[in-house]
Amino acid sequence: KAGVTQTPRYLIKTRGQQVTLSCSPISGHRSVSWYQQTPGQGLQFLFEYFSETQRNKGNFPGRFSGRQFSNSRSEMNVSTLELGDSALYLCASSFDGDQPQHFGDGTRLSIL
Amino acid sequence: DQQVKQNSPSLSVQEGRISILNCDYTNSMFDYFLWYKKYPAEGPTFLISISSIKDKNEDGRFTVFLNKSAKHLSLHIVPSQPGDSAVYFCAASASNTGNQFYFGTGTSLTVIP
Repeated sequence: KAGVTQTPRYLIKTRGQQVTLSCSPISGHRSVSWYQQTPGQGLQFLFEYFSETQRNKGNFPGRFSGRQFSNSRSEMNVSTLELGDSALYLCASSFDGDQPQHFGDGTRLSIL
Repeated sequence: DQQVKQNSPSLSVQEGRISILNCDYTNSMFDYFLWYKKYPAEGPTFLISISSIKDKNEDGRFTVFLNKSAKHLSLHIVPSQPGDSAVYFCAASASNTGNQFYFGTGTSLTVIP
């Protein structure tokens, strides 16, 4: 079956802009989590959505937000972009959140 | 505050030998641990997991050991193969705090042919 799909794969923005990233989970998976990966910091948890509701949230500022649609697809939005937001953003899905997650290949966001 | 730590950023091992990757955690409430492997330009791929009721779990060439008293887990790969060269992340979660996984910073394994 198709894996987790993230679009776009690469994105270049400038400071102050906003960006929306998209994630399509594996069919049947209801939990979608987002992570930020930066060099030396590993994967930092942003938030988890389950059945269109945010169920968990990491320690990121309010500029980072997300949502999940009825088909479990999820979007992540970052407003007022800062240079430090340059990172690989990974989406992961699982059936109900407590099993091993399946990751997409990520969106590489670069802020100029 | 890094609750899951991988103190070795890199590791080189000869093909056929054992690779041992280590991970330490600080939160005694963690009860589920996983290892992921990541190749460049790809997302992490689940490798093996262990729950806190066990101290060892084996899957082919991969074995994970959990030492709860030391808050330490390790991944053993025997024998190591060049295709195992990747970044390995350990992750942990606590069942009483929802489905939030905490990841380490990764160890880059190079298996030398």
